[in-house]
Amino acid sequence: GQNIDQPTEMTATEGAIVQINCTYQTSGFNGLFWYQQHAGEAPTFLSYNVLDGLEEKGRFSSFLSRSKGYSYLLLKELQMKDSASYLCAGSSRGTDKLIFGTGTRLQVFP
Amino acid sequence: DTAVSQTPKYLVTQMGNDKSIKCEQNLGHDTMYWYKQDSKKFLKIMFSYNNKELIINETVPNRFSPKSPDKAHLNLHINSLELGDSAVYFCASSQAGTSGVYNEQFFGPGTRLTVL
Repeated sequence: GQNIDQPTEMTATEGAIVQINCTYQTSGFNGLFWYQQHAGEAPTFLSYNVLDGLEEKGRFSSFLSRSKGYSYLLLKELQMKDSASYLCAGSSRGTDKLIFGTGTRLQVFP
Repeated sequence: DTAVSQTPKYLVTQMGNDKSIKCEQNLGHDTMYWYKQDSKKFLKIMFSYNNKELIINETVPNRFSPKSPDKAHLNLHINSLELGDSAVYFCASSQAGTSGVYNEQFFGPGTRLTVL
């Protein structure tokens, strides 16, 4: 089966740090993607994890634990423009299919 | 120099009509996709094509028919539109889908379809 779970909504304050969690159950799991989607816009790629551990990219980092079926996206030094939905997606071996979670809507307040 | 483009951006139509959405990518990618994003923002794969060949066909009604005239284009035709078809439809593309190879998907701007 294929299942991706993440919180529906989160709020945070400008300048703070926020962690968005994602748990997955994906047949033949290959890797885990994070996408950002601003309201009314297309999803844009943030990160990809295939090995366990933390991948850092500027203010954004993503972590994967394959044994626990768990990932998180860490956003540091939050800015107002980070208010968006963050989509967790698992990919399976042998296919390009991405299974998306429902997305976590993050609101950053001043 | 848009990477993945879709037309139209907005589509409002009556139930029962037939409509098409066009998608083009200039990234030289081999694989293209159609996704549906419903009112709850859930993004779900519908189809994928690799070099004009259908690879993924999720449980989508037969009223939806993708067509890929060449690897840079993937169009979506919808017959007998229903109210439940109202959603945002995203086209995407990625490099050749080889198992285990990192293949970031690039999304088009989306087509908001409203069926009245």
